[in-house]
Amino acid sequence: AQSVTQLDSQVPVFEEAPVELRCNYSSSVSVYLFWYVQYPNQGLQLLLKYLSGSTLVKGINGFEAEFNKSQTSFHLRKPSVHISDTAEYFCAVSVWGDDKIIFGKGTRLHILP
Amino acid sequence: GAVVSQHPSRVICKSGTSVKIECRSLDFQATTMFWYRQFPKQSLMLMATSNEGSKATYEQGVEKDKFLINHASLTLSTLTVTSAHPEDSSFYICSAPGTLRETQYFGPGTRLLVL
Repeated sequence: AQSVTQLDSQVPVFEEAPVELRCNYSSSVSVYLFWYVQYPNQGLQLLLKYLSGSTLVKGINGFEAEFNKSQTSFHLRKPSVHISDTAEYFCAVSVWGDDKIIFGKGTRLHILP
Repeated sequence: GAVVSQHPSRVICKSGTSVKIECRSLDFQATTMFWYRQFPKQSLMLMATSNEGSKATYEQGVEKDKFLINHASLTLSTLTVTSAHPEDSSFYICSAPGTLRETQYFGPGTRLLVL
């Protein structure tokens, strides 16, 4: 079975500072990887996804993530955060050929003024 | 892009009543839809896979008789919480895979409060 671990439940960071949200996954088969964002009282929005090819994936709102197969990681980064980035971020995985998505527990990003 | 809608967005009901939540794919067909629940400040937990024209597939630990799923058409899946209790209060989110590879569209969610 697949699983996703987000090591940090909360990450505080000052505005305009860089941020990295960590994600590790476990799977015996090849997977697709995703990062979703959930703003307060809203549904999910896809930030970016890794399917194949280049291990560095760029998404919306200036976010990017790097797939590292040897470390089974898919960490999310942004070079300079804004107050509007305050949200819950979920790392997720799905198995090739299966539409089912398994989510990590989420990381709450706090932007400090 | 493709949109998934949910209705209602919020519902408050008395304990013991049943509540139906609709999930619709707009402008695209979905033979499969997924239902998740999210407790406050927690992650989304997959409850079941809704299959058009056949029975839903439930995840381990999810009561089939408690959470009835009906995928009546290629654009509509419904989740009925039967005999709801306060512990069923949660945020219920549905999703549907799109035509682009590994694209999943999520509904805006339904917040259920059982008094």
